[in-house]
Amino acid sequence: DAKTTQPPSMDCAEGRAANLPCNHSTISGNEYVYWYRQIHSQGPQYIIHGLKNNETNEMASLIITEDRKSSTLILPHATLRDTAVYYCLDRQGGSTLGRLYFGRGTQLTVWP
Amino acid sequence: DSGVTQTPKHLITATGQRVTLRCSPRSGDLSVYWYQQSLDQGLQFLIQYYNGEERAKGNILERFSAQQFPDLHSELNLSSLELGDSALYFCASSDTTELDEQFFGPGTRLTVL
Repeated sequence: DAKTTQPPSMDCAEGRAANLPCNHSTISGNEYVYWYRQIHSQGPQYIIHGLKNNETNEMASLIITEDRKSSTLILPHATLRDTAVYYCLDRQGGSTLGRLYFGRGTQLTVWP
Repeated sequence: DSGVTQTPKHLITATGQRVTLRCSPRSGDLSVYWYQQSLDQGLQFLIQYYNGEERAKGNILERFSAQQFPDLHSELNLSSLELGDSALYFCASSDTTELDEQFFGPGTRLTVL
């Protein structure tokens, strides 16, 4: 079952940074934090993942606190197309099980 | 476009019937995962196959079964359908290692009447 907690909804003005928080207080040392998003009933889309260092790719940045109990996904310049449900997941490294546990996620609405 | 294809896109059937959902993974991906998304349960992992063998099981009912064929495509069989089986069914694929990102298909929307 999902072991992360996220606010159910957030909104953001177009062009501004969207900062989506996630609590994963029970995360263990070999568990990665993953972010996916789902745009209106389409298949979920991978965004980014990290273990303990901050990560950045062309889509977003991931900031993980030093104690690894929480993280923030940052969309630096949100657009209307970023309106979606964002899921934060933890995933065990070195495991034979590749399943993803999705919680309810955060509905991000970007407004003009 | 994730490179994962699913057919059919929509399926409408009656209670008690049996249906088969099909998934073709991205070229080269050996792992296939099935997920169910319903309004009340959210996205739930059902089952994973790796190179033709079952690797992990999640919340999959006994009325449901799946298999992965030598050409790596996968089928999810749902039988004795109930109203509550109405949902979006997603297939995802990934490369060899479990930490690889999963690429999701567009889903099959099943409606049981």
